[in-house]
Amino acid sequence: GESVGLHLPTLSVQEGDNSIINCAYSNSASDYFIWYKQESGKGPQFIIDIRSNMDKRQGQRVTVLLNKTVKHLSLQIAATQPGDSAVYFCAENRGGSYIPTFGRGTSLIVHP
Amino acid sequence: KAGVTQTPRYLIKTRGQQVTLSCSPISGHRSVSWYQQTPGQGLQFLFEYFSETQRNKGNFPGRFSGRQFSNSRSEMNVSTLELGDSALYLCASSPGTVNEKLFFGSGTQLSVL
Repeated sequence: GESVGLHLPTLSVQEGDNSIINCAYSNSASDYFIWYKQESGKGPQFIIDIRSNMDKRQGQRVTVLLNKTVKHLSLQIAATQPGDSAVYFCAENRGGSYIPTFGRGTSLIVHP
Repeated sequence: KAGVTQTPRYLIKTRGQQVTLSCSPISGHRSVSWYQQTPGQGLQFLFEYFSETQRNKGNFPGRFSGRQFSNSRSEMNVSTLELGDSALYLCASSPGTVNEKLFFGSGTQLSVL
């Protein structure tokens, strides 16, 4: 079936490096995409979102890129810090849906 | 604003028992969604309630049920517990319109022995 997936289950980086987490989606009708961060013992927390009429959106140290041609979403984290260590989920809302579909998650490990 | 509150934080039950989990959404949010999270299956959608009505439902057996009260607080119930029901159960709230981000609670960790 259609799903939102992640290319890499685990990503290890050094503190200060830039991190890129990728996500593939399969439904061309999806029009809203969200990245969540889940730290150990907590629920997922919203990081940044992007709508399908945009291809880039920036937040504080984070940037989301959307490539609708190849149905690809990425989250870039600048100057990664140990506090960024967490599991990152991408999620998509399929046109008109109230419920996002979540990817399986990528574990980001930041080494000091 | 207070965040999403889930109680209890931890639960230990035995097979065959039933359990009720509670969720208080952010004030003003009318939609409450429930998710099951396990290491192998990730975040699986259970159901969503909006204005006391179940608006969306995932692919879980009838042993999983929920309800929403007039103050938007929600409960979910799992009857006849199975070992495979051991998971983190997450509640999320939102205003309830299309394409809104979700605000999650910290979850209830359920262990079935």
